Amino acid sequence: EAQVTQNPRYLITVTGKKLTVTCSQNMNHEYMSWYRQDPGLGLRQIYYSMNVEVTDKGDVPEGYKVSRKEKRNFPLILESPSPNQTSLYFCASRAIQGNSPLHFGNGTRLTVT
Amino acid sequence: AQSVTQLGSHVSVSEGALVLLRCNYSSSVPPYLFWYVQYPNQGLQLLLKYTSAATLVKGINGFEAEFKKSETSFHLTKPSAHMSDAAEYFCAVSVASGNTPLVFGKGTRLSVIA
Repeated sequence: EAQVTQNPRYLITVTGKKLTVTCSQNMNHEYMSWYRQDPGLGLRQIYYSMNVEVTDKGDVPEGYKVSRKEKRNFPLILESPSPNQTSLYFCASRAIQGNSPLHFGNGTRLTVT
Repeated sequence: AQSVTQLGSHVSVSEGALVLLRCNYSSSVPPYLFWYVQYPNQGLQLLLKYTSAATLVKGINGFEAEFKKSETSFHLTKPSAHMSDAAEYFCAVSVASGNTPLVFGKGTRLSVIA
């Protein structure tokens, strides 16, 4: 089944403790992206990647890192999480053509205390 | 740069009534337009997309949307609302170049009243 898989679904951590949210897709998509969703603010893009070893900042990259060493994986790294990073995070992927839709993972709900 | 405006953060309709969710876009080049739906505790699913073929696009679950270039709109409609349609709906715009990420609207929460 074609899918985007994120882990974990739920994560509670403390300020400053490094964490990684994994994302993997099995559709051979070139493009992958991370979003955060907050009430009243919709979806905001954190980082995206057009292909292996190519990453770019989205609208809200501060406090986040990503890497794209393999085509299928695009982990999101929070080196020193803070409470304002408490949010619902989504990974998504799509083929490179502009008319290709995004396929989303089921989300990771992160709470930083 | 592209942008999307969804009018109304919350829309409430009675079961069986018409659903109309509004989306206006801004793009300097011909756009591709998408509607996504998000049910509680789930990711976003594609409802339908406009890719310059037909201006009236039919999607899943009885939804459709019409691309109107003169009005820069891509409103989502469904003739008769069902309780299961209660969800959050997002409009998004992209352009031909794959280098440009999708730009999302802020979403519209649809409530269906019995």
